[in-house]
Amino acid sequence: KAGVTQTPRYLIKTRGQQVTLSCSPISGHRSVSWYQQTPGQGLQFLFEYFSETQRNKGNFPGRFSGRQFSNSRSEMNVSTLELGDSALYLCASSLNGELFFGEGSRLTVL
Amino acid sequence: DAKTTQPPSMDCAEGRAANLPCNHSTISGNEYVYWYRQIHSQGPQYIIHGLKNNETNEMASLIITEDRKSSTLILPHATLRDTAVYYCIVRVGPSGSARQLTFGSGTQLTVLP
Repeated sequence: KAGVTQTPRYLIKTRGQQVTLSCSPISGHRSVSWYQQTPGQGLQFLFEYFSETQRNKGNFPGRFSGRQFSNSRSEMNVSTLELGDSALYLCASSLNGELFFGEGSRLTVL
Repeated sequence: DAKTTQPPSMDCAEGRAANLPCNHSTISGNEYVYWYRQIHSQGPQYIIHGLKNNETNEMASLIITEDRKSSTLILPHATLRDTAVYYCIVRVGPSGSARQLTFGSGTQLTVLP
């Protein structure tokens, strides 16, 4: 069974640009959650989606948004990028509460 | 605020058991102890979880004290590939929201040849 797939794995952007990250969950998993991981702040929750509906949202500014499609694939978007947005963005899918993480998308903002 | 306390680093000889401690003195009655690990620049990997009984799976064993204020993750025969940061977290179990997943600093386990 394929795991959680995140694309792209690495990307470099400049301040002010926007970025879209994609996550394909494990087949059959309907819940997808997103996290930001930085050396200073550790792992921080961004959002959680279930059946195309946002169930929870973390304490991030409105520049961070996400959505989930009918096939459970999810995307997150960050607009007006700031240097502090440089991080590893992790997606996790779950079926019955257990979380399975993807390899992450490492974003560098210059 | 941190709900778990772990030593920042530990070393273990290859082939020996690695015992990683975790303190969670403020754990609530409905919170489970979960362990994940993260190899550099990869996504966290689920290892094991438990409520109050000791648990064992193909990767590790989890020993939870009777008062549930601390636990130990045991890797019975550590290999070089077990070198990673190990995170101990407490959260409401499988029915809980993914929002509750918060990793602290973890323990950097280095398995030495």
